[in-house]
Amino acid sequence: EDKVVQSPLSLVVHEGDTVTLNCSYEVTNFRSLLWYKQEKKAPTFLFMLTSSGIEKKSGRLSSILDKKELSSILNITATQTGDSAIYLCAVYPGGFKTIFGAGTRLFVKA
Amino acid sequence: DTGVSQDPRHKITKRGQNVTFRCDPISEHNRLYWYRQTLGQGPEFLTYFQNEAQLEKSRLLSDRFSAERPKGSFSTLEIQRTEQGDSAMYLCASSLAQLAGDTQYFGPGTRLTVL
Repeated sequence: EDKVVQSPLSLVVHEGDTVTLNCSYEVTNFRSLLWYKQEKKAPTFLFMLTSSGIEKKSGRLSSILDKKELSSILNITATQTGDSAIYLCAVYPGGFKTIFGAGTRLFVKA
Repeated sequence: DTGVSQDPRHKITKRGQNVTFRCDPISEHNRLYWYRQTLGQGPEFLTYFQNEAQLEKSRLLSDRFSAERPKGSFSTLEIQRTEQGDSAMYLCASSLAQLAGDTQYFGPGTRLTVL
């Protein structure tokens, strides 16, 4: 069965720290890996990764995919309290279904 | 606002009642998804439409659940004879099908509480 596993499940850091969130997957087919940020309501799209080794960046957030290790990391540098959220990793194997991990709950203390 | 919208945002109902939720996707998107999310979990796939055709339903979706997308625009999700275990956030997402990936844009969700 296809699955996506994220670690850690939760994380508490202080403002200014750098954090690394992990995502590993086992799927029969792979097209892309996606990261979403979920605050109080709906997930909002962060990145889509399709190729190994190519870093995607947006401000203080960056992500990279390792297809050999079947994993991805999401880095957040100089964290702010506004980064507090659940970060969801999802894999799109093609077709219609996207498989989500349980998420990493990040809490950034002021 | 041209994002995905859902209505209502919150619904409290008594066990055994029927409820219906609505989702309006981004207008040019041809794919529409329904997910259910419970506390501490990621979204779980329920069903999917490509235009007006419902192409897949999860085995999580019992006979009490039905979804429609008439004319390939908005969609409704109905739950009949609600049970306490149906309490969850129901998320709708839409996307424009692409070969490489399927970036889904989510609505704000409908939070259902069954008493």
